[in-house]
Amino acid sequence: DGGITQSPKYLFRKEGQNVTLSCEQNLNHDAMYWYRQDPGQGLRLIYYSQIVNDFQKGDIAEGYSVSREKKESFPLTVTSAQKNPTAFYLCASSISRGTSNQPQHFGDGTRLSIL
Amino acid sequence: DAKTTQPPSMDCAEGRAANLPCNHSTISGNEYVYWYRQIHSQGPQYIIHGLKNNETNEMASLIITEDRKSSTLILPHATLRDTAVYYCIVRPPGGSQGNLIFGKGTKLSVKP
Repeated sequence: DGGITQSPKYLFRKEGQNVTLSCEQNLNHDAMYWYRQDPGQGLRLIYYSQIVNDFQKGDIAEGYSVSREKKESFPLTVTSAQKNPTAFYLCASSISRGTSNQPQHFGDGTRLSIL
Repeated sequence: DAKTTQPPSMDCAEGRAANLPCNHSTISGNEYVYWYRQIHSQGPQYIIHGLKNNETNEMASLIITEDRKSSTLILPHATLRDTAVYYCIVRPPGGSQGNLIFGKGTKLSVKP
């Protein structure tokens, strides 16, 4: 089945620790995105990538880092600099960000909590 | 991206059609209407999108008014599994920085 796989489903972080959230897609999509969702709120864009080895900051990139070494993978690292990391993290992908009207498709998310 | 307005909640009887309205009176000529839904603790699920013609797929139908200022998502035979928050989003092709702006959506409760 084609889709987006996020792991782990639940993750706990200790103070001062960096953690990495995995996102893999086998849809052959060019663009990938990371969003953060807080309780009762909409999605906020953290980072996005249109092509391998290239990515741009979204609205709330501070305290996060990403890499895009392979088309199918877009891991997100939540660093110790992110002071309020508890949230639901969602990864998405789409065919192309350019002029395409194709929708973004989402994984099932990773819920990050602080110990 | 254009702003959308949706009712905060709706109820629907199982097996009946669920009609979810969305107002997007400031929509621009090149902006598409997208519908997503989010079931609790899951990622948003894409449902359907359109520009000006009505669209239908295996999940739902999308009816866009002729002036494009509003639309309706129709789930023809709602089931309990359709209980979710439904989001209407308008954005141009490619979007602005790829961002999807989710408002508060409509919480649809399908009741037996």
